[in-house]
Amino acid sequence: GNSVTQMEGPVTLSEEAFLTINCTYTATGYPSLFWYVQYPGEGLQLLLKATKADDKGSNKGFEATYRKETTSFHLEKGSVQVSDSAVYFCALSHGDDKIIFGKGTRLHILP
Amino acid sequence: EAGVAQSPRYKIIEKRQSVAFWCNPISGHATLYWYQQILGQGPKLLIQFQNNGVVDDSQLPKDRFSAERLKGVDSTLKIQPAKLEDSAVYLCASSLAGGAGNTQYFGPGTRLTVL
Repeated sequence: GNSVTQMEGPVTLSEEAFLTINCTYTATGYPSLFWYVQYPGEGLQLLLKATKADDKGSNKGFEATYRKETTSFHLEKGSVQVSDSAVYFCALSHGDDKIIFGKGTRLHILP
Repeated sequence: EAGVAQSPRYKIIEKRQSVAFWCNPISGHATLYWYQQILGQGPKLLIQFQNNGVVDDSQLPKDRFSAERLKGVDSTLKIQPAKLEDSAVYLCASSLAGGAGNTQYFGPGTRLTVL
């Protein structure tokens, strides 16, 4: 079945460090891929998405590229801020609007 | 634009008791979802409504969970009787319409603790 695997947290970085959170997926065909973010005390928010191979989703300085050959959708940011501290979920949707989420990666940014 | 509203935000009950959660989606959104998020895991879809009809409830434990969406707007999710393993955050989401291209907007969730 369809599934998403993302790196386990927590991930702790200093402010202005480079961020990568790895995500790989299992699915037939070409699913849509997402990154959601959950800030403390808030609901899940869509951070970015990509709907076909080689697409790059971007938002708030975050980027992720849909790599069909490696079935990956890694999240990157060049310079993180304390306000980026949150839980990040990689997810996919395939054929319908049912979203399958990874387990989430908690990110701590130290000032 | 107001987001998805949920209440209560927190609930503590003892096992075998019943509990209900309420969700008010974004105005005009036809599709409503309930997810269960157990600590350390990603959200798992429990049930999806399109207006007031059920589209998918394949992962809803129907022996104890029930949900309704009267008049195609607000929705309630009920657990009766609750078990320890039901401790989780229950998330409500809505989208303008069904389909893979539609963004789902999530509420803040209700954190349920079953003792």
